[in-house]
Amino acid sequence: GEDVEQSLFLSVREGDSSVINCTYTDSSSTYLYWYKQEPGAGLQLLTYIFSNMDMKQDQRLTVLLNKKDKHLSLRIADTQTGDSAIYFCAESPGGYNKLIFGAGTRLAVHP
Amino acid sequence: SQTIHQWPATLVQPVGSPLSLECTVEGTSNPNLYWYRQAAGRGLQLLFYSVGIGQISSEVPQNLSASRPQDRQFILSSKKLLLSDSGFYLCAWSGQSTNEKLFFGSGTQLSVL
Repeated sequence: GEDVEQSLFLSVREGDSSVINCTYTDSSSTYLYWYKQEPGAGLQLLTYIFSNMDMKQDQRLTVLLNKKDKHLSLRIADTQTGDSAIYFCAESPGGYNKLIFGAGTRLAVHP
Repeated sequence: SQTIHQWPATLVQPVGSPLSLECTVEGTSNPNLYWYRQAAGRGLQLLFYSVGIGQISSEVPQNLSASRPQDRQFILSSKKLLLSDSGFYLCAWSGQSTNEKLFFGSGTQLSVL
């Protein structure tokens, strides 16, 4: 079945790296996504990775994909207080645009 | 550039009252449109999606309905709200091609009392 799982909470110190993990079930997902939700706001597309890639780097963000284990991670380098938000992992099963989201990981950044 | 508007931002409604949430997209034509719900502390659940005017697909059985009277307008409705309808409702759009990215509105926080 379709299921995306994430840990619900992560706390890091400002300046440290954050790693948010996600597992998905559908190996046919062509793209995998990370969305960011700030308090009371909608979701903002943060980054995405094509399924034939192992890694994608975009400034402070690094996405790692292990297709064999169906594991996706998002690393945020030099985490700042402005990075505090909920981060959602999403897959696109069957190549459709109906994304399946995880429950979200709440990232708390403390001084 | 494309923009998506969703309103109202916050809504408090009594049980049994009707509901109408509206979403409009600008700067694109013939988008796919979606309604998601985010219950407190939970992930996003796809409620409805539409690939064209008058074409609505429902993902889960529920007390809600959706309509698309115009190409870039998507409406979420209910005749009689239940307590369980409370949540954060998000409208989104994407292009028609496969694996297009979703772009979300700012959401409506609905509290049914």
